[in-house]
Amino acid sequence: NAGVTQTPKFRILKIGQSMTLQCAQDMNHNYMYWYRQDPGMGLKLIYYSVGAGITDKGEVPNGYNVSRSTTEDFPLRLELAAPSQTSVYFCASSYSRTPQAGELFFGEGSRLTVL
Amino acid sequence: TQLLEQSPQFLSIQEGENLTVYCNSSSVFSSLQWYRQEPGEGPVLLVTVVTGGEVKKLKRLTFQFGDARKDSSLHITAAQPGDTGLYLCAGAKGGTSYGKLTFGQGTILTVHP
Repeated sequence: NAGVTQTPKFRILKIGQSMTLQCAQDMNHNYMYWYRQDPGMGLKLIYYSVGAGITDKGEVPNGYNVSRSTTEDFPLRLELAAPSQTSVYFCASSYSRTPQAGELFFGEGSRLTVL
Repeated sequence: TQLLEQSPQFLSIQEGENLTVYCNSSSVFSSLQWYRQEPGEGPVLLVTVVTGGEVKKLKRLTFQFGDARKDSSLHITAAQPGDTGLYLCAGAKGGTSYGKLTFGQGTILTVHP
């Protein structure tokens, strides 16, 4: 079972470069999320989507953009990379908003370093 | 501002010891989840608690949701090396924000054989 698949797993960027982190899920989940994880800071929500064509900002959206053209895919775009964007990025999905069914399924993460 | 404060941040214990991790907030949450994360992997859900005062047990792990739904605890009995990992609590505010979880900063647990 694939679950949530993220690519690439590792990437080094130079300041000012742009890139897209890919995320795909095969569980037919409507809800998808992008989090970043910094040491000692837990996970912070960047963007989320409640379905194809619908996205919204999370807690730390600046410097990022997302799109959701299909149920399966939720790419995260970094424009003009900055050292502050060095982090581990996690994509997640869930199939319901209700608490009992609101388990987040996470990908394995994408480790990004901006130099 | 960290809405969910976890303590302790680091815990290093011997196999067989008991431990408790705390997750505290000044905010009320409609539900609270605990995740466990291993190096190089994404977090994996352990439990969801939704009712104030609720207690859930998963083998040697006991989870409690505070009566006021502002805090939670995770208690591990007779810890084993396989329990080593990062434990994260995450709260949902309810309404349209169920899926938008607020995470604590995590507790790194190391259990030595």
